Amino acid sequence: DTGVSQDPRHKITKRGQNVTFRCDPISEHNRLYWYRQTLGQGPEFLTYFQNEAQLEKSRLLSDRFSAERPKGSFSTLEIQRTEQGDSAMYLCASSVSGGSEDEQFFGPGTRLTVL
Amino acid sequence: AQSVTQLDSQVPVFEEAPVELRCNYSSSVSVYLFWYVQYPNQGLQLLLKYLSGSTLVESINGFEAEFNKSQTSFHLRKPSVHISDTAEYFCAGITGGGNKLTFGTGTQLKVEL
Repeated sequence: DTGVSQDPRHKITKRGQNVTFRCDPISEHNRLYWYRQTLGQGPEFLTYFQNEAQLEKSRLLSDRFSAERPKGSFSTLEIQRTEQGDSAMYLCASSVSGGSEDEQFFGPGTRLTVL
Repeated sequence: AQSVTQLDSQVPVFEEAPVELRCNYSSSVSVYLFWYVQYPNQGLQLLLKYLSGSTLVESINGFEAEFNKSQTSFHLRKPSVHISDTAEYFCAGITGGGNKLTFGTGTQLKVEL
């Protein structure tokens, strides 16, 4: 399967713990996006990378959140000191060059539950 | 203010009936508009998109959407739905730089026999 993959698919953690998610984009896609989707809402933009550079971060991304894409390939999203409000589906998407006509391909998501 | 609005959270419809899922966008959204579909336990998939040119765009599985600038709408339609069309449908538009997508809240289409 050469689509966008995310790991893990599900994560249950206790409040205050740190969690890290991984996204592997489609190879040769140079743009990578993170979105968050809560119940009953559409996905909301968090941040995006072009190659290894993080070009924009949403105000939704508090200082407890950090994302990296060290070699311009896979990306990680870390949440420190998780809170119950962080419970959501975290989606990753990639595109080939970032033109408006370029389709963003989405992964299956990581569902986070904070107890 | 919501940039992309989907007025209907759920739309029940009988198989083979026509359906319209409504989407309106605000001026903060560019005219690059998309419909994504999310089947149960699957990721978002692009259904169709409007970038420029003909205001009527079609998908390979019979859906179509019409960009209407005067009404700031991009409604999704299908003349005859199938059970397999049961899914959640999201309207989205490009906002700001970076081609980040702003999504509506989604419409759950439930096709019944």
